[in-house]
Formats: sequence, structure tokens, C-alpha cells
Amino acid sequence: NAGVTQTPKFQVLKTGQSMTLQCAQDMNHNSMYWYRQDPGMGLRLIYYSASEGTTDKGEVPNGYNVSRLNKREFSLRLESAAPSQTSVYFCASSEDRVDTQYFGPGTRLTVL
Amino acid sequence: AQSVTQLDSQVPVFEEAPVELRCNYSSSVSVYLFWYVQYPNQGLQLLLKYLSGSTLVKGINGFEAEFNKSQTSFHLRKPSVHISDTAEYFCAVIESGGSYIPTFGRGTSLIVHP
Repeated sequence: NAGVTQTPKFQVLKTGQSMTLQCAQDMNHNSMYWYRQDPGMGLRLIYYSASEGTTDKGEVPNGYNVSRLNKREFSLRLESAAPSQTSVYFCASSEDRVDTQYFGPGTRLTVL
Repeated sequence: AQSVTQLDSQVPVFEEAPVELRCNYSSSVSVYLFWYVQYPNQGLQLLLKYLSGSTLVKGINGFEAEFNKSQTSFHLRKPSVHISDTAEYFCAVIESGGSYIPTFGRGTSLIVHP
């Protein structure tokens, strides 16, 4: 089992460009999450999907959109990147909402 | 609304010494509590969790934590640390009966010196 995979691992964008971060899990988990991690801020939830077909905003959703493509895949889209979105992005999944979260290796994004 | 406070941003300690990483939460309802560890350039992985039952929870790598409802705390302890325990540690809380959105603390950097 690969667990939670994320692509790409690194990305550099210019202000205004768009991109999609991909996440997939092979554990048949129901819930999936997108976080951003900034120094001294811990992890902040951007969006989550409690189950296939549903998505909800987290703490910091502005500037992002998500798609729960199927049970395995949950993508995060930046429509018009801004320097404030420079961060490390983590995808996670869990069997249900009150359970251990399994994290991917992260995507390090820099917006110039 | 729930919140999590990790009181120490950095904890330096010598190898084989005991360590305690502090976590306090704020919530008016029952909670589920987690400690995660993040090694450099990696994602987070679970150390231990409290869902219900015994308030003393044992996790991987010799770590344990105690849920104290009256003090709204969930401190992480290890009696003897190793160099390999150097990492970032995150406390997380989920409130029951609501949206079940997890909230993470800002993290504590444990630095183990030889």
C-alpha cells in the first residue's frame, strides 16, 4: 500500500498562475483533508471531504477550490496564485472523521 | 469553538533525560485528542490518541499521554528521550457532536542534544 500520495512534491508559480495539487489514497478511507503548514502556525485546514460527494470549507478556504473526484482522489486548485499561498500543503485521509489521519509527504509551493 | 494551545514552541533536552510536551485545549463539549509527530521533510504520523476509556494512553516509540478533563490538558511524556526523537510534535483536538473538524496546535519542536 502506498498510503497517501501527493503530486507534485515541489512547485514554483508566478503570481496569477493556476495549478492543481493532486492527492490519492489507497486505504478506502471515507474522509480526506487539505492542510497548509506555515512556520509557527501549525496546520490549518483548507477544505475537507467527510465522504465521497461532499466537500466543506475549513479554517482558511479563500483562494482555493477542491474536488472529490471519487473515493480515492481529492484535488486542491489554486485559480490565481498569490505570494501569501507560499506554503507546504498536506493531504490527509481517515477512515471516518473521528479517527487517525494519515498524511501524504507534502507539496512545497512557492509563489513568486 | 475548540482551540488548542501548545505552550512551548521549542523544548531542548539532553539524550536520556525525561521530557514533557504540554497541550491544553478549550472546548465546552467532549473531545477526542491526538498527538502527531513530524520528522524533517515528512508528513505527520500518529503517536497516540485518546477517544474514550483509560485516561493514560500509550503510543509508539515509548511515548504516553494523560487526558486530564478538569485541567483540559493532554500532555505528552517520555521517560528517556533519544536523538532520533528530535522532531516537531503536534497536538490535535476534535469536538464531538459538531462538524468533527480537527484543530491542530502550533507545534512544539523537540530538540534532543547528545
